[in-house]
Amino acid sequence: AQSVTQLGSHVSVSEGALVLLRCNYSSSVPPYLFWYVQYPNQGLQLLLKYTTGATLVKGINGFEAEFKKSETSFHLTKPSAHMSDAAEYFCAVRYGGSQGNLIFGKGTKLSVKP
Amino acid sequence: NAGVTQTPKFRILKIGQSMTLQCAQDMNHNYMYWYRQDPGMGLKLIYYSVGAGITDKGEVPNGYNVSRSTTEDFPLRLELAAPSQTSVYFCASSGQEQAFFGQGTRLTVV
Repeated sequence: AQSVTQLGSHVSVSEGALVLLRCNYSSSVPPYLFWYVQYPNQGLQLLLKYTTGATLVKGINGFEAEFKKSETSFHLTKPSAHMSDAAEYFCAVRYGGSQGNLIFGKGTKLSVKP
Repeated sequence: NAGVTQTPKFRILKIGQSMTLQCAQDMNHNYMYWYRQDPGMGLKLIYYSVGAGITDKGEVPNGYNVSRSTTEDFPLRLELAAPSQTSVYFCASSGQEQAFFGQGTRLTVV
């Protein structure tokens, strides 16, 4: 079955440190790829997406992600963590392009220490 | 632009009661989804719809029903509430690319 895997249910970084959240998908056919962020007691908000074109995509709040087909990965990074980045992050894939369903990973909760 | 609107935001149900979670979108999206979110489990797809009159089961459909009579509305029905249905429910809609989410309904079954 097609799936998406997020490595690490909890990641803790110090303020100012690099943020790296990992996401791998299971299909050999590149899907559409997304990262969403969820702040406490809120819905999901799109951070960034990859559909076609440039493999390095930039999103809101200084986040970026790189699509690597050879590694079937779409890891999320931010050079310098801020306290306000503490949230839960979900990687999602959409197989079948614009006709497919969204499949989510289990999420990674990011904590930022002062 | 309201996006995706879910009601209610909170609800407590007794075992065996029924209720409908409402979802409406104003973006003219064909795709609509219902997910449930449980701690540490991510989002699991309950039902989805690819257009008015067309619905299909997702990963965890048991105990739920949906209908899609219009493009805008996609209600989720719980017929006989069970404690296992205690969760946070999210409705979403999508066009060609990303999905847009409602603010969620926190449901407790006691």
